[in-house]
Amino acid sequence: EVQLVESGGGLVQPGGSLRLSCAASGFTLNSYWMHWVRQAPGKGLVWVSRITADGTNVTYADSVKGRFTFSRDTAKNTLYLQMNSLRVEDTAVYYCVRDGVGSIPFDAWGQGILVTVSS
Amino acid sequence: ETVLTQSPGTLSLSPGERATLSCRTSQTIGSDYLAWYQQKPGQAPRLLIYDASTRATGIPDRFSGSGSGTDFTLSISRLEPEDFAVYYCQQYANSPRTFGQGTKVEI
Repeated sequence: EVQLVESGGGLVQPGGSLRLSCAASGFTLNSYWMHWVRQAPGKGLVWVSRITADGTNVTYADSVKGRFTFSRDTAKNTLYLQMNSLRVEDTAVYYCVRDGVGSIPFDAWGQGILVTVSS
Repeated sequence: ETVLTQSPGTLSLSPGERATLSCRTSQTIGSDYLAWYQQKPGQAPRLLIYDASTRATGIPDRFSGSGSGTDFTLSISRLEPEDFAVYYCQQYANSPRTFGQGTKVEI
């Protein structure tokens, strides 16, 4: 069974840092593109970042470029999102998401983890 | 960036009725790389439709997708109580991938 489990969320002050983790099971990260998607309270879905299956290429939304870093540990089958210089507008539920095989997009989602940036 | 506009914002229907949701894109979506997701309160989104008209694994056939180019539609033939939720369209042909703002289907 495919599972994605996020952790590491919580309350942080503006300007602070947080690292999210996403533990994957039931498949290997080496075979899939992976993404982070966020959703501010009561708002819609916004794509944040993507890493390719071979881990060589990472892209970011303009709103987080230079502040967030998406990485992975294939030995642990775990993804990470290092978030620095956090802003109030980064407050959201963050989802770890898998691209499916072929043209299938976002076929597996984690349960989401809440990040609150507030003083 | 490709902008997706969903309409209506809210659709008020009863169980057994047909729902028709629209998604218009600011640019032509190549290869019909348009998906639909369902999200219930407190849950992660779930993939319903990809490639504009292909149902994802396990999705009931009362859900159907159609359209191409810049105009896409999600139809739910007969609403079941569990179908009342928010629906998002997404394009994955262009980077960055973008979502519509959502349509809420309510009783």
